[in-house]
Amino acid sequence: EDKVVQSPLSLVVHEGDTVTLNCSYEVTNFRSLLWYKQEKKAPTFLFMLTSSGIEKKSGRLSSILDKKELFSILNITATQTGDSAIYLCAVEARVRSQGNLIFGKGTKLSVKP
Amino acid sequence: ETGVTQSPTHLIKTRGQQVTLRCSSQSGHNTVSWYQQALGQGPQFIFQYYREEENGRGNFPPRFSGLQFPNYSSELNVNALELDDSALYLCASSRVGGGNEQFFGPGTRLTVL
Repeated sequence: EDKVVQSPLSLVVHEGDTVTLNCSYEVTNFRSLLWYKQEKKAPTFLFMLTSSGIEKKSGRLSSILDKKELFSILNITATQTGDSAIYLCAVEARVRSQGNLIFGKGTKLSVKP
Repeated sequence: ETGVTQSPTHLIKTRGQQVTLRCSSQSGHNTVSWYQQALGQGPQFIFQYYREEENGRGNFPPRFSGLQFPNYSSELNVNALELDDSALYLCASSRVGGGNEQFFGPGTRLTVL
């Protein structure tokens, strides 16, 4: 059965810290891996990764994919209280359903002032 | 560019009732996917619609059904509601051939009593 596992499930840090969120997956017919940030309701898109070893960067956030070891990490440097949210990792697979996303449970990040 | 919108925001129903949730896709997007997010869990794929036809389905029973209209908006219908159907229902739109990023709406919080 396809699965996506995120760790840790929750994390508490102080402003200015650097955090690394992990996502491992076992999915047949892998197509892409996506990261989302969910603050209240709507998950907002952060990154989509399809190729191994190519870092994607947006401001203080960056992410990389390792397709050989089947994992991805999301780094956040110089964290701010506004980074507090649930970070969701999702993998797109084409098994029975075309284009559906398989999500992990998320990592709840709390940034204290 | 208009984002994904969903209605209603909140809904309270009783067991056995039926419910219809609505979603308007982002401008330029032709594919709509529906997800169920239970408390403390990642979103789970229900089904996807493309060109007004179901284009893939997750592990949900037939009492979960949907429609897509010519303007790409979509409905999710759930019959014979059960207590476990209480969740946040998220709609995501994307564009076939335009990358696999799915953009989410704010969701509908359904409570079944």
